[in-house]
Amino acid sequence: NAGVTQTPKFRILKIGQSMTLQCAQDMNHNYMYWYRQDPGMGLKLIYYSVGAGITDKGEVPNGYNVSRSTTEDFPLRLELAAPSQTSVYFCATASGQVGNTEAFFGQGTRLTVV
Amino acid sequence: QKEVEQDPGPLSVPEGAIVSLNCTYSNSAFQYFMWYRQYSRKGPELLMYTYSSGNKEDGRFTAQVDKSSKYISLFIRDSQPSDSATYLCAMTKGRVSNYKLTFGKGTLLTVNP
Repeated sequence: NAGVTQTPKFRILKIGQSMTLQCAQDMNHNYMYWYRQDPGMGLKLIYYSVGAGITDKGEVPNGYNVSRSTTEDFPLRLELAAPSQTSVYFCATASGQVGNTEAFFGQGTRLTVV
Repeated sequence: QKEVEQDPGPLSVPEGAIVSLNCTYSNSAFQYFMWYRQYSRKGPELLMYTYSSGNKEDGRFTAQVDKSSKYISLFIRDSQPSDSATYLCAMTKGRVSNYKLTFGKGTLLTVNP
């Protein structure tokens, strides 16, 4: 039972390149989220999904895209990387059970755009 | 005014000290309040969870929520070097908001042996 798995752990991109951050979960959770964490800034929500085929924007969606074709996977796409996207990215899941708001986080992807 | 305010510290205390961490918030719709602990280069992990106002104790940790003041606290008794981490407060409106979490900036705590 791996929980939430993110790949890659580290990546350096050049400005204008694109990449996909992968997130996979084996917890059978419907809710999945992508957050970014900048130094001293807490976590900000980029996109989220309440189930396969359903996605919605969070607080800071510009420059990113997502898809959710299965319950298990929730990839985050950067199309034209910019230095402002240098950050640590966390994928998280939640069960959605009534009264249970715990979110489970992956170990993060540390992205540098140069 | 930010939805959630948290003093980023850093906070440095000697081993055995009592630590108090706090957050204030502005949106009265928040119902669920959490504290996450994040070790360096790791993902956040849930430490304490409280629904609505009140206290909750778990070993050396006590979480308090005062909804009338829009103020939440985490107390750590007999702090240990292993408690050194960033502590993030988080809150959500629950199902109506699809369990989206709003985080404070995090407080970096160092407990010195």
